Amino acid sequence: EAGVTQSPTHLIKTRGQQVTLRCSPISGHTSVYWYQQALGLGLQFLLWYDEGEERNRGNFPPRFSGRQFPNYSSELNVNALELEDSALYLCASSLRGLGPSNEKLFFGSGTQLSVL
Amino acid sequence: AQTVTQSQPEMSVQEAETVTLSCTYDTSESDYYLFWYKQPPSRQMILVIRQEAYKQQNATENRFSVNFQKAAKSFSLKISDSQLGDAAMYFCAYGRWDDKIIFGKGTRLHILP
Repeated sequence: EAGVTQSPTHLIKTRGQQVTLRCSPISGHTSVYWYQQALGLGLQFLLWYDEGEERNRGNFPPRFSGRQFPNYSSELNVNALELEDSALYLCASSLRGLGPSNEKLFFGSGTQLSVL
Repeated sequence: AQTVTQSQPEMSVQEAETVTLSCTYDTSESDYYLFWYKQPPSRQMILVIRQEAYKQQNATENRFSVNFQKAAKSFSLKISDSQLGDAAMYFCAYGRWDDKIIFGKGTRLHILP
């Protein structure tokens, strides 16, 4: 069975551009989570979607947005890229919308975004 | 606000030896969960162990065990019989029901053959 898949694996953008990252959860999983992992900062929670709805959002500016599609895949959009947006963006999925503390999260291998 | 602190940026241990990774957290809540996640070079985070704060008994998973000290807000991970495959970044994390998980900055563990 396929795990969580993310695309692309690497991306290089310049300041001010826009980027879209994609995530496909494990088949049957309804919840998708997005995390930003900047160098030396651990993982910062971005967004949580379940059944197409945004359930929770981290402390990030509105230029970070996303959505979840009827097939439970998800996109993360970042507008007006800044240098500090350079990071590994990780997506995770879980089986039901009980929250990340109550269910095992399955992570993808991430998208490495570099902003020049 | 809740915080998670890992004071050891890097650690090394000889293969087959035991190592303990430290983690402290700050919260005013009494009901919460604590986690250790492992991130190998593949970058894919893997849940190692999960502890429910209301449980007195320390969680164990094969060679991995925790020392949960609720009053001290301490949650250390012990890895016994270290193996080369244990080399990774380890993250301590805190979470509450239906809320986001907060991660520490991680400890990079090296296994020396």
